[in-house]
Amino acid sequence: AQRVTQPEKLLSVFKGAPVELKCNYSYSGSPELFWYVQYSRQRLQLLLRHISRESIKGFTADLNKGETSFHLKKPFAQEEDSAMYYCALKGSGGYNKLIFGAGTRLAVHP
Amino acid sequence: GAVVSQHPSRVICKSGTSVKIECRSLDFQATTMFWYRQFPKQSLMLMATSNEGSKATYEQGVEKDKFLINHASLTLSTLTVTSAHPEDSSFYICSATRGYGNTIYFGEGSWLTVV
Repeated sequence: AQRVTQPEKLLSVFKGAPVELKCNYSYSGSPELFWYVQYSRQRLQLLLRHISRESIKGFTADLNKGETSFHLKKPFAQEEDSAMYYCALKGSGGYNKLIFGAGTRLAVHP
Repeated sequence: GAVVSQHPSRVICKSGTSVKIECRSLDFQATTMFWYRQFPKQSLMLMATSNEGSKATYEQGVEKDKFLINHASLTLSTLTVTSAHPEDSSFYICSATRGYGNTIYFGEGSWLTVV
């Protein structure tokens, strides 16, 4: 079965604290994983994808096939990082379809 | 970045009527569009994949006769909820891509309330 699990509904931290949003996946084959972010009253937008191995807005995510995880990390959270974060897996069968996790709301307090 | 627009952003309809939601790619040709449904505080659930000029591919459990999807052009896909019932009330989101391997862009979503 293809599945994405985000165990935390809410992650609350203070500004400057490290952040780790957890994501685990279930997929047979080579997975392609993404993190999407949704700021308040805005549409969903791509934050980063694992194949790019990039850092966006200070966030990084490493694919760990042994642990089937793709956790999102940032060493020092900023208030503007407060948003809803979704981990997504590109499903099989072509067409780019994405399977989303339940999402984690990140709240960064001053 | 590319823009995907949905219309209407909010719609209220009476039970038993049909309602259409449009999804447009404003500055690119979308060979594939996707329709998602999101219940409050829950994740996005893929309903169907729509390729221009062909029939939509529905996910398991999604009634194709209830949720009619048309992708008549490379810039427009429509979702029609037929004979709507209160349980169809939800947030519907579309996304679009130029093709396999390309970035997927999301619309702003459409709130449907069936009364």
